[in-house]
Amino acid sequence: QTVVTQEPSLTVSPGGTVTLTCASSTGAVTSANYPDWIQHKPGQAPRTLIYRTSNRHSWTPARFSGSLLGGKAALTLSGVQPEDEADYYCMLYFGGQIFGGGTKLTVL
Amino acid sequence: EVQLVESGGGLVKPGGSLRLSCTASGFTLANAWMNWFRQAPGKRLEWVGLIKRKIDGERTDYAAPVKGRFSISRDDANNSMYLHMDSLNPEDTAVYYCSTGSAEGYWGQGTLVTVSS
Repeated sequence: QTVVTQEPSLTVSPGGTVTLTCASSTGAVTSANYPDWIQHKPGQAPRTLIYRTSNRHSWTPARFSGSLLGGKAALTLSGVQPEDEADYYCMLYFGGQIFGGGTKLTVL
Repeated sequence: EVQLVESGGGLVKPGGSLRLSCTASGFTLANAWMNWFRQAPGKRLEWVGLIKRKIDGERTDYAAPVKGRFSISRDDANNSMYLHMDSLNPEDTAVYYCSTGSAEGYWGQGTLVTVSS
């Protein structure tokens, strides 16, 4: 059973830059795993920010970018805003979708 | 504005059945592969299953924990999708979300299913 791992929590200052990563227990994450990044705030519907590694949706601010970095999927936030405080989940495809445990991002 | 609205959640006894609905507005469901996801209390998000478009044969696929117990169907005329759940057990307790494929990126707010005696 593939396990997907994310940092449980990260803290960043407003205006700062932070990178969240997403690793697979079976080896390097590649574009064939179609990495997605989902933002989830309490009481709100989740929303997909990045799909297929690096594609933004129309609602995704330009400060969010997705990439592959050192065998992992990565989500980088540049110029972090207070409203970016949320849980972030990566989702990888392994014949079915598997989620990471989520990263709780605190903006402080 | 695109909205996906789930309904049909509630309290059900172990071994019971439940049908969840997902209705779309501002979006034509017929054009999309649709997914169900869930999140149990304190646990990570989990993919439940998907249904492809009519032109793709409406083929379905399910995660191992629900295969054989859950089934997904769609009614494109009513812009809706359904999750029929049988033989429910306490481990199925979760908030259930419907979602489009990643390229569309839309999610509903979720509906809570509680399996308990």
